Amino acid sequence: AQSVTQLGSHVSVSEGALVLLRCNYSSSVPPYLFWYVQYPNQGLQLLLKYTSAATLVKGINDFEAEFKKSETSFHLTKPSAHMSDAAEYFCAVSDVNYGGSQGNLIFGKGTKLSVKP
Amino acid sequence: DAGVTQSPTHLIKTRGQQVTLRCSPKSGHDTVSWYQQALGQGPQFIFQYYEEEERQRGNFPDRFSGHQFPNYSSELNVNALLLGDSALYLCASSSKPGLARETQYFGPGTRLLVL
Repeated sequence: AQSVTQLGSHVSVSEGALVLLRCNYSSSVPPYLFWYVQYPNQGLQLLLKYTSAATLVKGINDFEAEFKKSETSFHLTKPSAHMSDAAEYFCAVSDVNYGGSQGNLIFGKGTKLSVKP
Repeated sequence: DAGVTQSPTHLIKTRGQQVTLRCSPKSGHDTVSWYQQALGQGPQFIFQYYEEEERQRGNFPDRFSGHQFPNYSSELNVNALLLGDSALYLCASSSKPGLARETQYFGPGTRLLVL
């Protein structure tokens, strides 16, 4: 069965600094991986997804993530943090083990990103 | 293009009561999934509906039930509410069942408080 672990429940960076949010997955089959962002009192918005094409995936708002099979990781990065990036970020893997129907998502516990001025 | 909509936005119930939450999928989508997000946790999959049938179910008791209508909208019903059912309930829609790489689009959620 698939699972996701997000290292660090809370990450704080200064405005303009590099953002690095860590995600490790466990999967017995090639995974489909997603990063979602949740702003306060809102639903989830897709940042980017990996579907076995390019290992470096670019998303919205200059976020990107690199799939590393050898490390079972899918870390999210952004070169320069903005105040507006303060939110909670969730890594998810699509569960594919049930006879071919669409994968429900298995989420990590989330990482709350704070951006200091 | 309207995204996923959910109603109501907030709801307060007492233990033992029943609640119904509603979801309209994004235009062009025919599959609806429901997730429960407890405070400080990631969302957990409840079940998924396609062609008006429950196709998959997560580890939730039978008190949680659902329905999908011919227009693809969906309802989540929870009976005999417990304090632990207090959470944000998220609806997600997608198309092309059978493709795990397909993106699920989430609504803003319904925040349920059980007293």
